[in-house]
Amino acid sequence: EAQVTQNPRYLITVTGKKLTVTCSQNMNHEYMSWYRQDPGLGLRQIYYSMNVEVTDKGDVPEGYKVSRKEKRNFPLILESPSPNQTSLYFCASSFAGPSYEQYFGPGTRLTVT
Amino acid sequence: AQTVTQSQPEMSVQEAETVTLSCTYDTSESDYYLFWYKQPPSRQMILVIRQEAYKQQNATENRFSVNFQKAAKSFSLKISDSQLGDAAMYFCAYRSKVKTSYDKVIFGPGTSLSVIP
Repeated sequence: EAQVTQNPRYLITVTGKKLTVTCSQNMNHEYMSWYRQDPGLGLRQIYYSMNVEVTDKGDVPEGYKVSRKEKRNFPLILESPSPNQTSLYFCASSFAGPSYEQYFGPGTRLTVT
Repeated sequence: AQTVTQSQPEMSVQEAETVTLSCTYDTSESDYYLFWYKQPPSRQMILVIRQEAYKQQNATENRFSVNFQKAAKSFSLKISDSQLGDAAMYFCAYRSKVKTSYDKVIFGPGTSLSVIP
């Protein structure tokens, strides 16, 4: 089954404790992206990647890191989480090109206390 | 920079009736894609419909259709014969066709649609 998987689905952590949210897709997509969803703000792009070893900042990259060492994986790293990073996070992937539908993972609900 | 606005935070519709969700956007580009995504309570994001700016014909997918007004920069979604399963958050999204820009996707704030039995 074609899908984007994210882990964990739920995470409660404390300020400053490094964490990684994994994202993996099995559709051989070149493009992958991370979003955060906050009430009233919709989805905002954090980072995206057009291919292996190619990443770039979205609209809200502060406090996040990403890497793309393999085509299928695109982990999101919070090296020192803060309460303002409490949010719902989505990973998405698609073939390269603007017409292609993005396929989204199930979301990760992160709470930083 | 492009922006996407959805002016209706919440809407409701009676089952079997028709509802229209509004979306406006701002861009200086002439060619781009617009999308409507649905997010039911399960949180899964699902593509509803897409429209290419250069195509004058409005896109249609079963009960879902759009009214694309390029000059007005308006992209509304019409849901006909509303069903209980249509209850969800709906997001409008913009994606550039410019090769150096299409990696960025701009979403609106969303409209929460309730369907009344």
